[in-house]
This record gives sequence, structure tokens and C-alpha cells, in this order.
Amino acid sequence: AQTVTQSQPEMSVQEAETVTLSCTYDTSESNYYLFWYKQPPSRQMILVIRQEAYKQQNATENRFSVNFQKAAKSFSLKISDSQLGDTAMYFCAFMNPGGGADGLTFGKGTHLIIQP
Amino acid sequence: NAGVTQTPKFQVLKTGQSMTLQCAQDMNHNSMYWYRQDPGMGLRLIYYSASEGTTDKGEVPNGYNVSRLNKREFSLRLESAAPSQTSVYFCASSEVWRGGPGNTIYFGEGSWLTVV
Repeated sequence: AQTVTQSQPEMSVQEAETVTLSCTYDTSESNYYLFWYKQPPSRQMILVIRQEAYKQQNATENRFSVNFQKAAKSFSLKISDSQLGDTAMYFCAFMNPGGGADGLTFGKGTHLIIQP
Repeated sequence: NAGVTQTPKFQVLKTGQSMTLQCAQDMNHNSMYWYRQDPGMGLRLIYYSASEGTTDKGEVPNGYNVSRLNKREFSLRLESAAPSQTSVYFCASSEVWRGGPGNTIYFGEGSWLTVV
């Protein structure tokens, strides 16, 4: 089974700064899918960005981008021009092509705090 | 845009009581999931339904049962609640059960369950 590790339990940055959240994973699969989810205090799970492992190009969504290093099994999230509304828990998640009992495997999360 | 709807949002149970969490999605998705989230943890898969008429165990199925009532609805039942089942429960759905281009898991808003 795959594992997902987020080594930063909490991070705090000033508004408008750029912040990078780390995620590493372990899998024997060659093709898979990676996600970042945001969970604000409301507890809603919101998809931020996704990456297919077969794509070399890093995914971007407005102020959010990833640095996907397949050989290193690393999938970091960069938030540019951070805003107060970015304050939330961020979860890295992995899905293998077979889905099934593994479904989405989540890391334990990083609590990101944006200071005014 | 209802998406994935869960009821109830909050529930307090006494040890040994039973209850059912209801979930419905209006996206015509084939696959549905139940996750639980505990403090300091990411989400863990309890059960999933790859398609209407099928259900399978996830990572933490003990103490739970599920029913895929139809394509839209997927319920989670606690037959004899225990304090260890105090958690936030998330229902989710996706177009198909396996990873694939564009296949994303969408989550409900969560149900807070406390067992005393």
C-alpha cells in the first residue's frame, strides 16, 4: 500500500508571501494521481489541484502550482501571493490507477496560517 | 449545485446506540465513498462502492456497515456505537472508482459524530 507523508504539521507566513508545502509519497506504481485538498475551518474538503504522474508538466491553478518530482516521489504545493482566505489545513493525497480499497490515501495534513 | 449532501451534520450518540448517516450525490457519479477524519490525521477510507450494487471494505471497516441504495445514495450504519467511533465522517463520490484523467473525488461537508 502507498503512504503519503507531510513533514510540516504547521506553517505560518505573512500575507502576500509565497509558501511551499511539502509532500512525499511511497508507491511501486508507475502511473498514479496526486492531489492537494484544502480544508478550511468549515471542514469542507476542497480540491485545489491535481497532477497525473504521466504528465511531466507541473499543474497550475491560478496562484497554486505544484513541483512534481517523480523520481524523488515528491509533490510540493506552492501558493503565491498568499491571502488570508488561504488559511486552512492542506492535505496531500494519492490515488493509484486501480482505485479500489486504497481509494485516496491522505497525508496527515499541514496547517497553514496566513498572518495579516 | 448540491454536489454531495450528507445528513445529519451533527449527532451525539450513547455507547451502544445505532444510527445511519445518509449521503446523496446529484452528479450522476458511479462511485461513492465513506471516510472518517480523526484529530491530527488525514482521511481514512471506511467503505466504498465502485458502482451501484457493489460495496467493498476500505482501510478501517470494523464497526460499520454500508448500503448502496441506488446510484445516488450511499448510507453508513453504526450498529453499536463506541467512543472510538467519535469522528468527522465524510461522504464522497467520483465518476469512476479508479484513478484516471479527470477523475476527481468530491466531498460532502462532513458529519460530526460524538459517542459518549
